[in-house]
Amino acid sequence: LAKTTQPISMDSYEGQEVNITCSHNNIATNDYITWYQQFPSQGPRFIIQGYKTKVTNEVASLFIPADRKSSTLSLPRVSLSDTAVYYCLVGDWDTGGFKTIFGAGTRLFVKA
Amino acid sequence: EAQVTQNPRYLITVTGKKLTVTCSQNMNHEYMSWYRQDPGLGLRQIYYSMNVEVTDKGDVPEGYKVSRKEKRNFPLILESPSPNQTSLYFCASSLSGLARGRETQYFGPGTRLLVL
Repeated sequence: LAKTTQPISMDSYEGQEVNITCSHNNIATNDYITWYQQFPSQGPRFIIQGYKTKVTNEVASLFIPADRKSSTLSLPRVSLSDTAVYYCLVGDWDTGGFKTIFGAGTRLFVKA
Repeated sequence: EAQVTQNPRYLITVTGKKLTVTCSQNMNHEYMSWYRQDPGLGLRQIYYSMNVEVTDKGDVPEGYKVSRKEKRNFPLILESPSPNQTSLYFCASSLSGLARGRETQYFGPGTRLLVL
């Protein structure tokens, strides 16, 4: 069963680049890796997704090595509003369908 | 506006009193799911549904029931709530569960449940 492991928390300062790594040793061949952001008392929202190599959008970059056993979310020049919990998500194709598996999340605290 | 709605947003109940948390989406999504969130444990999937009349257990299904009679609705039922089910619950939906995580899941605003 696919499972993810992330650091529990990270601190940063405004303007710095933040890299959060997620370990998913048992990821299945066809599964994608997705990252979500969650603010207190809100539902998670999608940030970025990838399958392999590098993906970049207006918010973040996602680096996935060739073996796909880990991935790194990169947030360039963070601001105070990036303080949130970041979740790495993979899935597992069960007998009945697609089970979604979140990690415990990484709490990012951005300081002024 | 495309959205996932949940009701109620806050609920205080007592042990053993059956309750239902409703979830509805207006995006014609086939995949729907319930999660609970507890401090230090992140989001854990309770049940999911690939389509109407198709449901399956997630990682923490004990004490919960679901049904999917219509595509847009996916209620979560606690037949006999216990204090260990005090949690923050999220409903989510995505286009289908067939793309192995490639689709974005859209989350509802959450339901905070306290079982006394």
